[in-house]
Amino acid sequence: EDQVTQSPEALRLQEGESSSLNCSYTVSGLRGLFWYRQDPGKGPEFLFTLYSAGEEKEKERLKATLTKKESFLHITAPKPEDSATYLCAVLRSQGNLIFGKGTKLSVKP
Amino acid sequence: DVKVTQSSRYLVKRTGEKVFLECVQDMDHENMFWYRQDPGLGLRLIYFSYDVKMKEKGDIPEGYSVSREKKERFSLILESASTNQTSMYLCASSSTGAKTQYFGPGTRLLVL
Repeated sequence: EDQVTQSPEALRLQEGESSSLNCSYTVSGLRGLFWYRQDPGKGPEFLFTLYSAGEEKEKERLKATLTKKESFLHITAPKPEDSATYLCAVLRSQGNLIFGKGTKLSVKP
Repeated sequence: DVKVTQSSRYLVKRTGEKVFLECVQDMDHENMFWYRQDPGLGLRLIYFSYDVKMKEKGDIPEGYSVSREKKERFSLILESASTNQTSMYLCASSSTGAKTQYFGPGTRLLVL
């Protein structure tokens, strides 16, 4: 059964304190792994797509990496505006996504 | 930029009412999706469509139906709303090639 698990459920950081969010998955034949950011009361906003183990993508303070079993979203020197829920999803063979439950990140000044 | 719009941001309905949620995308995407999002349960797929007049059941289709008469528009229908359908409803679209899904702002539905 396809499954996506994100950890931790919640993460509190001080401004400037770097950390990583984890997304582990079990899927038959990975066709893509997606990271989204979601602010309260809004729809998810696309961040990255990763397709194969060893691939990395960067955007400002965020860097996503992929192995055969998990992905990490590294946040370097976060700012309060990085506070949001980060969602991970994998592409199923049927062509749709299965989502993890997300990690709620809070960055305090 | 991809734009996905949903007809309402907030909606209050009574038990037993028929509810229509509309979604429109402006990027000529082939694929469209409806999800609901609940605390502790995450995003769950209700229905999706790969083409006009085509539909596929997602993980939780019970109590819902969909309609796709035009490529840019995908409607979610609650035939007889129940209180357990109170939720945030999110629409998304993607192209067949790129697969990245782009989401609308969501509709928060309250069924009383």
